[in-house]
Amino acid sequence: GQQLNQSPQSMFIQEGEDVSMNCTSSSIFNTWLWYKQEPGEGPVLLIALYKAGELTSNGRLTAQFGITRKDSFLNISASIPSDVGIYFCAGRSGGGSNYKLTFGKGTLLTVNP
Amino acid sequence: KAGVTQTPRYLIKTRGQQVTLSCSPISGHRSVSWYQQTPGQGLQFLFEYFSETQRNKGNFPGRFSGRQFSNSRSEMNVSTLELGDSALYLCASSPGGTGSGGYTFGSGTRLTVV
Repeated sequence: GQQLNQSPQSMFIQEGEDVSMNCTSSSIFNTWLWYKQEPGEGPVLLIALYKAGELTSNGRLTAQFGITRKDSFLNISASIPSDVGIYFCAGRSGGGSNYKLTFGKGTLLTVNP
Repeated sequence: KAGVTQTPRYLIKTRGQQVTLSCSPISGHRSVSWYQQTPGQGLQFLFEYFSETQRNKGNFPGRFSGRQFSNSRSEMNVSTLELGDSALYLCASSPGGTGSGGYTFGSGTRLTVV
């Protein structure tokens, strides 16, 4: 089956630092999604990317859909303590009514105030 | 607009029992997907329902099943529970159709099998 390699697995940074994480796949995806999950809650959608090469921002978050359609990255600028959580990438394959999401294993982000 | 509601939030069951989890999607959303989340395997796709029909299925044994009702609410059932079924079960709703757009997740049901 399809697999996503997400890195790094965890990060421990100081408040104010920038963060970068990425996902790579051996398969092509037609959509990339980035989610954040906090303890006791379900993942919350941060950014959705629909076209190869697309660069999208959501506040301090920026994500890009790789040109090869096999990778994506997420950057967080000027991190703050509430950025703490697990960040997941997800790729959507297929089309029409035949599609599914494949998730990366997540990046655990810890921000030291 | 109410979010995705999953019930119950926590559940403890004994090995061999069966369990039914419920998910109410966002009003107007017709697609409901189910995922199993464990520390070792991460988020694994179980199945997706659209308009009361299973549209996609992941690689889980037949003990895992689901259904969707005419109001788009969905249930998943796990029979003959095993210790390894302990996990956070998440459902996600989306408008459906061609599957465009993101998915909104519920807070999940934490199942512990003892």
